[in-house]
Amino acid sequence: AQSVTQPDIHITVSEGASLELRCNYSYGATPYLFWYVQSPGQGLQLLLKYFSGDTLVQGIKGFEAEFKRSQSSFNLRKPSVHWSDAAEYFCAVAASNTGKLIFGQGTTLQVKP
Amino acid sequence: DGGITQSPKYLFRKEGQNVTLSCEQNLNHDAMYWYRQDPGQGLRLIYYSQIVNDFQKGDIAEGYSVSREKKESFPLTVTSAQKNPTAFYLCASISRGAGANVLTFGAGSRLTVL
Repeated sequence: AQSVTQPDIHITVSEGASLELRCNYSYGATPYLFWYVQSPGQGLQLLLKYFSGDTLVQGIKGFEAEFKRSQSSFNLRKPSVHWSDAAEYFCAVAASNTGKLIFGQGTTLQVKP
Repeated sequence: DGGITQSPKYLFRKEGQNVTLSCEQNLNHDAMYWYRQDPGQGLRLIYYSQIVNDFQKGDIAEGYSVSREKKESFPLTVTSAQKNPTAFYLCASISRGAGANVLTFGAGSRLTVL
């Protein structure tokens, strides 16, 4: 069965520091992978996606993620965090063409000034 | 601007009452989805519809019902059979075109049972 694990429920980083949010997935075939961000009380906004090709994908707001098949991982990174990045981040996996996403539990990012 | 509109944003319900959450999209998307969000549990799929007049149960469909009479609309009814309905509900849709397979989400509806 498909599943997504985000090992870190809560992360705190200082503004200007680098960030890495971890995501591990379980899926038999080549997955479609996504990172979404959610501000409190709002819907989800897509940060980036991986379908195929280059395993390092660039997204909005300066985020990037790297697909590592051997580790079943799709970690999200940002070189320098801004206070406005404080939010909840969700990793998700989808079957190739159904649109059905399986979400991780989410990681809440707090940014210290 | 195209998007997904969910209403109401906040809703309060007494125990034993049914309530319907609205979801409308003007993106001309084929498929629509309802997710439930609870703290620390991520998002869980309630129902989805890939075409008008057809829908399928997701992982937590018990106590919920949906209809898809129009392409643009996918309302969710939370029935009195849902044991713990207080949650944040998110509607999403997706296109089937090239470069698609990306869900677009509405802003959500927060349901509180008093």
